[in-house]
Amino acid sequence: EPEVTQTPSHQVTQMGQEVILRCVPISNHLYFYWYRQILGQKVEFLVSFYNNEISEKSEIFDDQFSVERPDGSNFTLKIRSTKLEDSAMYFCASSDAGYTEAFFGQGTRLTVV
Amino acid sequence: AQSVTQPDIHITVSEGASLELRCNYSYGATPYLFWYVQSPGQGLQLLLKYFSGDTLVQGIKGFEAEFKRSQSSFNLRKPSVHWSDAAEYFCAVGARQAGTALIFGKGTTLSVSS
Repeated sequence: EPEVTQTPSHQVTQMGQEVILRCVPISNHLYFYWYRQILGQKVEFLVSFYNNEISEKSEIFDDQFSVERPDGSNFTLKIRSTKLEDSAMYFCASSDAGYTEAFFGQGTRLTVV
Repeated sequence: AQSVTQPDIHITVSEGASLELRCNYSYGATPYLFWYVQSPGQGLQLLLKYFSGDTLVQGIKGFEAEFKRSQSSFNLRKPSVHWSDAAEYFCAVGARQAGTALIFGKGTTLSVSS
């Protein structure tokens, strides 16, 4: 069964450092998403991406964040200068053009120290 | 404002007993509704979804949910809970359009007692 894969599963970084979270969406999907879940809180939408550009983003997705599809298979989320409050589980998701559902990856737990 | 409310933060159910998890939503457009489950250390797995048609939808693992437009609700049910159902359950609402955001509730943690 096709699945969304995310690497790494857990990343620890120092405050102020740049971090890149990686995702391989399902191969025939065209829409890609990042969500985050701060510990004990709800899952929040960050951004969606289609045809090499952002299609929708939330207020959380400020200038510190960027997304990229560097090649035909990977989808990345970059945080330029991490803050303590960026500590969260980050989920990547993808969906096809017909959009019956979004398929989520296992998540990357980011810890900023 | 668009939102999803899951009023129960934590529910404990005896194994074999029935389960109902509540979800209420507020959404400006035609809502498309989802229930996801998250086991410890795992990602989000789709249990079921409602787009249109029959308001009672069946999902995986024996779960079902009923859409009630008049009550803006999409409650999740299971007639007989198994210990392996212990997990966190999230209700979400979105538009029937790729690329748009899903809005999640805060989740309900289900514990199953023997």
